[in-house]
Amino acid sequence: AQTVTQSQPEMSVQEAETVTLSCTYDTSESDYYLFWYKQPPSRQMILVIRQEAYKQQNATENRFSVNFQKAAKSFSLKISDSQLGDAAMYFCAYRSAHGSARQLTFGSGTQLTVLP
Amino acid sequence: EPEVTQTPSHQVTQMGQEVILRCVPISNHLYFYWYRQILGQKVEFLVSFYNNEISEKSEIFDDQFSVERPDGSNFTLKIRSTKLEDSAMYFCASSEGIATNEKLFFGSGTQLSVL
Repeated sequence: AQTVTQSQPEMSVQEAETVTLSCTYDTSESDYYLFWYKQPPSRQMILVIRQEAYKQQNATENRFSVNFQKAAKSFSLKISDSQLGDAAMYFCAYRSAHGSARQLTFGSGTQLTVLP
Repeated sequence: EPEVTQTPSHQVTQMGQEVILRCVPISNHLYFYWYRQILGQKVEFLVSFYNNEISEKSEIFDDQFSVERPDGSNFTLKIRSTKLEDSAMYFCASSEGIATNEKLFFGSGTQLSVL
């Protein structure tokens, strides 16, 4: 079974600065997808960014980018120019690319505080 | 952007009672999911549903749980006899189902409190 580990329960960053959230995972599969989800106080889960394991290029979405290290099974999220609205719980998630498997396996989350 | 709608936002029930949590997925989506999050813990997969049947379920999804798409728009999760440990936030999600990396749209959740 796959596991996802987020070793930072809490992080803080000054507004306009850059922060990196860590995520590692364990899998024996070669094809899979990785995601970062944001959960603001409203509790709704919002997709921030996704990465296909077969792609070497790191995904980017505006101020959000990832550092995907497949051999190290590491998938960190970098938030540049942090804004107050970025404050939320961030979850890393894994999904197999095999067959009909579609379930997401989530990490325990990192609570990000943005300081004005 | 289209949204997944969940009702109610908060439900309180007595242990042993049946509850039905309701979701309206996005209209052209083909895959539907339930996840739950016990306070302070990870978000956990419960079940996925496609073509009017369960396609995957986790160990959590035992005989006390069932899902249904009764009318082509709603997607429900029923817990037959609630236990204290069923208290959690329950999230419904849907996806287009075109590829396995497609985006999941989550609802805002139903907070279930079992007393």
